[in-house]
Amino acid sequence: GQNIDQPTEMTATEGAIVQINCTYQTSGFNGLFWYQQHAGEAPTFLSYNVLDGLEEKGRFSSFLSRSKGYSYLLLKELQMKDSASYLCAVRDRGDYKLSFGAGTTVTVRA
Amino acid sequence: DGGITQSPKYLFRKEGQNVTLSCEQNLNHDAMYWYRQDPGQGLRLIYYSQIVNDFQKGDIAEGYSVSREKKESFPLTVTSAQKNPTAFYLCASSIDAGGANTEAFFGQGTRLTVV
Repeated sequence: GQNIDQPTEMTATEGAIVQINCTYQTSGFNGLFWYQQHAGEAPTFLSYNVLDGLEEKGRFSSFLSRSKGYSYLLLKELQMKDSASYLCAVRDRGDYKLSFGAGTTVTVRA
Repeated sequence: DGGITQSPKYLFRKEGQNVTLSCEQNLNHDAMYWYRQDPGQGLRLIYYSQIVNDFQKGDIAEGYSVSREKKESFPLTVTSAQKNPTAFYLCASSIDAGGANTEAFFGQGTRLTVV
């Protein structure tokens, strides 16, 4: 199974940068995903990493180090609408089980 | 439009009754998942299925049952054995169980309240 850890809460100012860390332990790794979830809504896909390195998508970037069991999501030029929960998810290679961390609630202040 | 549909959006049941939540997808996805989310919490995996007629228990399967008789459908039954069934239930699907970049797409969720 997996053990996925991420911080519970983070607060940042509009226009700033925030980095959300995620550490995981898995018996067989087959990809790491980041999702955004606004309160009361379904999660929406943000990024995917399966190889080491940085993936950039507009204001959002995600980094993966498989040897360290570590990923981060970087949110740049923060906007008020970025206030949400950010979920890290890891998929197992063996049975494709997709498990989520508890989520990080990001609050953007004016 | 292609997508994944959960119904109903809100569901109320009396304690002791079984209830079935619907999840249908027309994306031709192989893998489907059921998660439970409690207020302020993350997603916890209940059951998942890689292919038709096969499914595996997730981390909190007790008190729940599923079936996967058709590729497009993965209904979840919350039985009376589930001690705290009130929660937000999310269904997801992905293209195939082992392909590359196969992110999961989520339905809009069913909010179940047991009184």
